[in-house]
Amino acid sequence: SQQGEEDPQALSIQEGENATMNCSYKTSINNLQWYRQNSGRGLVHLILIRSNEREKHSGRLRVTLDTSKKSSSLLITASRAADTASYFCATDAWGGGSQGNLIFGKGTKLSVKP
Amino acid sequence: DAGVIQSPRHEVTEMGQEVTLRCKPISGHNSLFWYRQTMMRGLELLIYFNNNVPIDDSGMPEDRFSAKMPNASFSTLKIQPSEPRDSAVYFCASTLGQGWSYGYTFGSGTRLTVV
Repeated sequence: SQQGEEDPQALSIQEGENATMNCSYKTSINNLQWYRQNSGRGLVHLILIRSNEREKHSGRLRVTLDTSKKSSSLLITASRAADTASYFCATDAWGGGSQGNLIFGKGTKLSVKP
Repeated sequence: DAGVIQSPRHEVTEMGQEVTLRCKPISGHNSLFWYRQTMMRGLELLIYFNNNVPIDDSGMPEDRFSAKMPNASFSTLKIQPSEPRDSAVYFCASTLGQGWSYGYTFGSGTRLTVV
């Protein structure tokens, strides 16, 4: 099945800077979720935003959703070296995956330099 | 809860051998997923169970792959015979309710190398 696009594929910033990652999707969704994956580990759920929500916050994370543009962004403020990881967005309806499962993008690899 | 538990963490096997990967989901979660992750293809859904019943197995690559969920606390993914192109990290994940309503909890994965 098709996947959405994440942008950028890789991002390198200095500690303390903000990091913004974007993803786009193709079809209507029920919700969009963001996950983090540290090297060699499983994915960890960060935040879920429903299709009728426009913005959501969790600690240093801010997620926006624009259903008219079929896009979402994840902002990490005041980044730390420990934020170094790959970040994935996932929806329930990319490429027709609407049987109750999530389809993941290929991720943005974030590197935060101390 | 100890989270989603997968075993083994690493598996190295010879081409042609049978491989069985195991998963224990979080107690109370009624949806379970098997994903495969490679550099080339990213995260691919292999199969999705809801209340122990396979709902979508369209991602299972071919007949060499099979998955079972005999009860709510255990699932297996079997590859027989294994091939080098099956080398990947295999993740199991579980969640409450419908597959997209809540966040998924992933296991630590099984890194499979077929030589």
